[in-house]
Amino acid sequence: ELKVEQNPLFLSMQEGKNYTIYCNYSTTSDRLYWYRQDPGKSLESLFVLLSNGAVKQEGRLMASLDTKARLSTLHITAAVHDLSATYFCAVSSYNTDKLIFGTGTRLQVFP
Amino acid sequence: EPEVTQTPSHQVTQMGQEVILRCVPISNHLYFYWYRQILGQKVEFLVSFYNNEISEKSEIFDDQFSVERPDGSNFTLKIRSTKLEDSAMYFCASRGQLMNTEAFFGQGTRLTVV
Repeated sequence: ELKVEQNPLFLSMQEGKNYTIYCNYSTTSDRLYWYRQDPGKSLESLFVLLSNGAVKQEGRLMASLDTKARLSTLHITAAVHDLSATYFCAVSSYNTDKLIFGTGTRLQVFP
Repeated sequence: EPEVTQTPSHQVTQMGQEVILRCVPISNHLYFYWYRQILGQKVEFLVSFYNNEISEKSEIFDDQFSVERPDGSNFTLKIRSTKLEDSAMYFCASRGQLMNTEAFFGQGTRLTVV
């Protein structure tokens, strides 16, 4: 059964600092997604990663995928308060398109 | 920009009552899903639906749950006899035909069972 783990679960960081969120998954997957969720709100798609070595960047966020290590990272550069949210990675495996979500990382950026 | 819309945004119901959560997926999408998120926890898959039938369901999706696409636009989740533990945020999602595209999520329905 596909399992997805994220760490850290909670991240408090100062504005301007860099940090990385990690997403590990247990079996072969062909698609990995990153979503952002603000409190009480829906899930906003950030990145779709489809192949080994894929790297995508949007603003201060950069996501990468290493399928051999079964690891994806979400790197935050020079954090700003607006990035405060919960970030989920989600994985789907071959022959199914259901998403298995990670535990989420609650990010708080303070001045 | 097209979006998935869900109604109601918040539903309070008494234990044992039936509820129907409604979703209007993005119009040219073919794959539909329901997920739920218990407060403070991760998002869990309930069911996927394609070509007017369930394509996959999780263990959570027991006989108390059903889904329907009653017309060309709506996609509903029915819980026949609600339990306290059904209290959660329920998200509808839809996806286009290509397997490598992401699912787009609605804003969610917060279900509170009292």
